[in-house]
Amino acid sequence: DTGVSQNPRHKITKRGQNVTFRCDPISEHNRLYWYRQTLGQGPEFLTYFQNEAQLEKSRLLSDRFSAERPKGSFSTLEIQRTEQGDSAMYLCASSRGNSGNTIYFGEGSWLTVV
Amino acid sequence: KQEVTQIPAALSVPEGENLVLNCSFTDSAIYNLQWFRQDPGKGLTSLLLIQSSQREQTSGRLNASLDKSSGRSTLYIAASQPGDSATYLCAVVRAQKLVFGQGTRLTINP
Repeated sequence: DTGVSQNPRHKITKRGQNVTFRCDPISEHNRLYWYRQTLGQGPEFLTYFQNEAQLEKSRLLSDRFSAERPKGSFSTLEIQRTEQGDSAMYLCASSRGNSGNTIYFGEGSWLTVV
Repeated sequence: KQEVTQIPAALSVPEGENLVLNCSFTDSAIYNLQWFRQDPGKGLTSLLLIQSSQREQTSGRLNASLDKSSGRSTLYIAASQPGDSATYLCAVVRAQKLVFGQGTRLTINP
């Protein structure tokens, strides 16, 4: 396994701009998750995919956020019209099959909105 | 709603000590529990996964226990080393997703 890969690792953007993060899960992992973490807090669930289907979205995921996983491989998380409150680390994770398997996280993508 | 609490929020101990980190959760209907390590500015590294039917798991100097009935898990670290300094997070799996505690920031002093 090469691990979960996230790009870019850091992004600084002006308020109102759009940003997109990419996640490449561990190969053959059919589940993919997005979490958000702010300083001093544990990660909070945003959304998850089973293959290409987005099965659940948190209420934290406002209309400005959209996630896709075309063809069930990599995923993108786009934030439109960024706000300062969006500044956080966005973590991607993946796992095999059912909920009994270990979930592996990437290194995260830091977003700073100025 | 599932809530996960980790106490203490921070812990500082001298090198070589054995230590225990605590995690409690409010809803015992969990699928499994996972312990993670997070270094500053980095992602999460999985340490141990305990299935709901298991009582404990061991990996090297780490031992994690699970008591579903009381809603508690502990992470035991033996013979602590400065390299163990990090934030340790526990998370329960419920309804297909992880619910995290806020973590315990551990500092091992040489």
